[in-house]
Amino acid sequence: DAGVIQSPRHEVTEMGQEVTLRCKPISGHNSLFWYRQTMMRGLELLIYFNNNVPIDDSGMPEDRFSAKMPNASFSTLKIQPSEPRDSAVYFCASSLTRTGGNNSPLHFGNGTRLTVT
Amino acid sequence: SQQGEEDPQALSIQEGENATMNCSYKTSINNLQWYRQNSGRGLVHLILIRSNEREKHSGRLRVTLDTSKKSSSLLITASRAADTASYFCAPDRWGAQKLVFGQGTRLTINP
Repeated sequence: DAGVIQSPRHEVTEMGQEVTLRCKPISGHNSLFWYRQTMMRGLELLIYFNNNVPIDDSGMPEDRFSAKMPNASFSTLKIQPSEPRDSAVYFCASSLTRTGGNNSPLHFGNGTRLTVT
Repeated sequence: SQQGEEDPQALSIQEGENATMNCSYKTSINNLQWYRQNSGRGLVHLILIRSNEREKHSGRLRVTLDTSKKSSSLLITASRAADTASYFCAPDRWGAQKLVFGQGTRLTINP
């Protein structure tokens, strides 16, 4: 079990550039979550998918943020254009289905540390 | 709010001592989960306690749950330097798909 794989581990970019973060969930997991962590705001849930379908994107801060899950083994979080306040660690997590009262725990990747200058 | 609130925000103890962290929440839950985050890493699931359980053990971890007070505690016995991390609780509502986290407790074990 390789766990949740995120890439890149670190990303440094200039304000205004497009940033794409990638996530490969654990095989067989059908729920996927994107979180953002900063010292000031803690761990914020941005969006989550169930069976590749976005269920709740109410945590996405602005229209500059978008997320896709084209298949069960891949998801992207894109920021366009990026701003310095987007600097944070972005985590992807996956789990077995969490519908129907099945509250499976989450498995996290090791995150992408994004710095926007 | 679905998230739990951990207390204290930071805790520093000597190696070998016991560490106790508390979690309070506001919603009715199906279970409550505890996670650990080491520096520079993602969260790792430690233990899940169901709403009909009062206490659960896993190695040096002991979790209690009091649904009448909407609170939980995590006890780490005989602490080690490797236990230095942030600890998060996640109250899990019945049928909730998302999991929301608080600010966590930052635990430092001093050698």
